Amino acid sequence: DGGITQSPKYLFRKEGQNVTLSCEQNLNHDAMYWYRQDPGQGLRLIYYSQIVNDFQKGDIAEGYSVSREKKESFPLTVTSAQKNPTAFYLCASGDYRGPADGYTFGSGTRLTVV
Amino acid sequence: KQEVTQIPAALSVPEGENLVLNCSFTDSAIYNLQWFRQDPGKGLTSLLLIQSSQREQTSGRLNASLDKSSGRSTLYIAASQPGDSATYLCAVEGAGGTSYGKLTFGQGTILTVHP
Repeated sequence: DGGITQSPKYLFRKEGQNVTLSCEQNLNHDAMYWYRQDPGQGLRLIYYSQIVNDFQKGDIAEGYSVSREKKESFPLTVTSAQKNPTAFYLCASGDYRGPADGYTFGSGTRLTVV
Repeated sequence: KQEVTQIPAALSVPEGENLVLNCSFTDSAIYNLQWFRQDPGKGLTSLLLIQSSQREQTSGRLNASLDKSSGRSTLYIAASQPGDSATYLCAVEGAGGTSYGKLTFGQGTILTVHP
């Protein structure tokens, strides 16, 4: 079955530590996205990539970094510079040329600072 | 900057009722609009996508309409069931320039359908 896999489901980070969230898709989608969701708020775009080896900052990129070395993979690193990283992180993919079936989301990673 | 607003923020209805969720957006230059469902602690499930050239889409008990010129979309749920209880999110994809390929989300409507 085609889809997006995010791992881990739950992640705990100590103060000052960098952590990496994994996102893998087998949908052959060109574009991939990372969103952050906080309680009572909508999703906010962190980074997105419309093609391999290229990515763009979203609305809240500070304290995060990404890479896009393969079409299937778009890992997100939450660095120690991110002052309030506790949130639910969602990865998505889509064909940026505009498919009829829109965007597909993963099941999310919940990151907690301890 | 595109802004998406969803009304109401929460809705509680008895089983069997027909209901309408509203979504409005400030910039009519959109490529498409998509409705998602999110269960607690889970990812998003796509319900319906309406291209900017379309007026509505239907899937089972769900019907979504789009009026791009007025910046509005509605999601109609017929004969609601307890299993419909979830948060419903509306998102628009911008058209052209730096907006292309990016989704802007509303804050969602929390729906509770009680037996």
